[in-house]
Amino acid sequence: DAGVIQSPRHEVTEMGQEVTLRCKPISGHNSLFWYRQTMMRGLELLIYFNNNVPIDDSGMPEDRFSAKMPNASFSTLKIQPSEPRDSAVYFCASSSSSYTEAFFGQGTRLTVV
Amino acid sequence: AQSVAQPEDQVNVAEGNPLTVKCTYSVSGNPYLFWYVQYPNRGLQFLLKYITGDNLVKGSYGFEAEFNKSQTSFHLKKPSALVSDSALYFCAVRDPPGGYNKLIFGAGTRLAVHP
Repeated sequence: DAGVIQSPRHEVTEMGQEVTLRCKPISGHNSLFWYRQTMMRGLELLIYFNNNVPIDDSGMPEDRFSAKMPNASFSTLKIQPSEPRDSAVYFCASSSSSYTEAFFGQGTRLTVV
Repeated sequence: AQSVAQPEDQVNVAEGNPLTVKCTYSVSGNPYLFWYVQYPNRGLQFLLKYITGDNLVKGSYGFEAEFNKSQTSFHLKKPSALVSDSALYFCAVRDPPGGYNKLIFGAGTRLAVHP
């Protein structure tokens, strides 16, 4: 298996633009997580899906952020409009059940200028 | 609500010496505990986990961790540190089935192993 695949690896965008981050979880995994990592705030859980259904989105910072999982093999995290403070590394992770470890993608480094 | 704390921002160890990276947790019920490592510009890599059973758990690269229920701790250990172990280490906790099953991470501890 190729592992969790995230795209793009790097994204530079101007403030106010829409940004879409993509994630393909490991085949057969039924849990998917989106995290944001910054120096100041560490690794924050943004949203968690189980069987394609959002279970907890309490970590989503504000309405500018939205996430979808239309099927078991694809998820998106969208920021609209983007702001410089959204600059961070965004990770997607998946796991095969409710009590196993999660496997992480390589991350998307987002820079909003 | 579940939480995990890593009290040390950085741990410095000489190569060849034993290392310990500390972690304490708070969760309702029995915890599922994990350790991950992150190298620069990389994603997090799974090291080991405690679900049930023996309190001493062995994982990748010679690392092990000891689960202590009375102290609500899950410290990461290695008998002899290598320079290549230098990285950022994260402890994580997950509620058991029946809860939300979120995977929550600590703030991370930077391990520096000096030659």
